[in-house]
Amino acid sequence: GAVVSQHPSWVICKSGTSVKIECRSLDFQATTMFWYRQFPKQSLMLMATSNEGSKATYEQGVEKDKFLINHASLTLSTLTVTSAHPEDSSFYICSAGGGIWRGRAGYNEQFFGPGTRLTVL
Amino acid sequence: QKEVEQNSGPLSVPEGAIASLNCTYSDRGSQSFFWYRQYSGKSPELIMFIYSNGDKEDGRFTAQLNKASQYVSLLIRDSQPSDSATYLCAVIRDNQGGKLIFGQGTELSVKP
Repeated sequence: GAVVSQHPSWVICKSGTSVKIECRSLDFQATTMFWYRQFPKQSLMLMATSNEGSKATYEQGVEKDKFLINHASLTLSTLTVTSAHPEDSSFYICSAGGGIWRGRAGYNEQFFGPGTRLTVL
Repeated sequence: QKEVEQNSGPLSVPEGAIASLNCTYSDRGSQSFFWYRQYSGKSPELIMFIYSNGDKEDGRFTAQLNKASQYVSLLIRDSQPSDSATYLCAVIRDNQGGKLIFGQGTELSVKP
């Protein structure tokens, strides 16, 4: 599949600080990027969907002022967790979808990044 | 009722056996169906997707879709210990902008 990277792969921060996670699609121009959160022993929960150049659409129950998403280009999206608290500790995963990958439309395929493990002390 | 349901397992099979993973979905508007494998601490990786009723085979994996009964399954032939992981079923509804709806996953353990 297409290559999607995330940075950092893990981060530990103090309560009240903000953390930025980058998601890059390296060989794929993604028109849409998705952000997920996964708590231990649970499945992936979609947080928001972002289309390049427009505001993100957040899922019900996800605070848009707390989880800031920017999708400024077809290859980069960022998630900023503002004023992080211990309950925000989780595994955050992005995926890239839409666009053209290797000459074929990949609208229904999502390519996942390796994830970022956030621990808030 | 959850939109996508899977047995959480764990499902344990001996090496070389066929592992059968099942998934049901509630929305008849679901159009695309995916199976992902997730190793502990890692992100999901796509195994297969299926859009049409029937079977789709890829190597040791076969996906089966029955839209009338609203279920999709994944068969893993000649199971290997390296297949031990959590398998996630996911669906996309046609009017949801490509959003994946995941089941809770089935943990598979293949014993040597």
